[in-house]
Amino acid sequence: SAVISQKPSRDICQRGTSLTIQCQVDSQVTMMFWYRQQPGQSLTLIATANQGSEATYESGFVIDKFPISRPNLTFSTLTVSNMSPEDSSIYLCSVDTGVGQPQHFGDGTRLSIL
Amino acid sequence: TQLLEQSPQFLSIQEGENLTVYCNSLSVFSSLQWYRQEPGEGPVLLVTVVTGGEVKKLKRLTFQFGDARKDSSLHITAAQPGDTGLYLCATPGGDSSYKLIFGSGTRLLVRP
Repeated sequence: SAVISQKPSRDICQRGTSLTIQCQVDSQVTMMFWYRQQPGQSLTLIATANQGSEATYESGFVIDKFPISRPNLTFSTLTVSNMSPEDSSIYLCSVDTGVGQPQHFGDGTRLSIL
Repeated sequence: TQLLEQSPQFLSIQEGENLTVYCNSLSVFSSLQWYRQEPGEGPVLLVTVVTGGEVKKLKRLTFQFGDARKDSSLHITAAQPGDTGLYLCATPGGDSSYKLIFGSGTRLLVRP
């Protein structure tokens, strides 16, 4: 199975700043996904990171707030822009193993905004 | 969008007890995946069920898929502290079956 590395693992940021989270996979994958997990909650899909084209965002998430890059088949970044305390969450990237198949997850980035 | 409801939301039990977690939807699942997430880690797949009425066992964990493929359950026998975590069901959904829709989650605490 794919090995996924996320950086940073955690950070504490000031209100109004931005943070970029990196996701590196040890093999080429078709789809990469970014999720948000608010404290004590389940996972909510933010967007699908498409290689060579703009990310596909879910309802309630916009590119200006969560810009995503996918320069190749093994790497993606998620930026959380103009952060507020409401953005304090765990952000997870995942990769697909095929249509309708399970996903492999990174260990997440725990983000706290003061 | 398919909504997955899990129950209970939170469960605190003593080591050695049995428990069952449920995942329900108004829609039919094409398939259903169960994950466990431990603190500081991402979710890890436990099992995938595909066929209505299917039963799968993974050591002390027994997974059932309802005959109508609208519900699933996870039963843990003789729970251990190592079973502590967030249990999530998920199903392919949306406009692309690459995507997963996750249930609301059940947080399990097994006390020694």
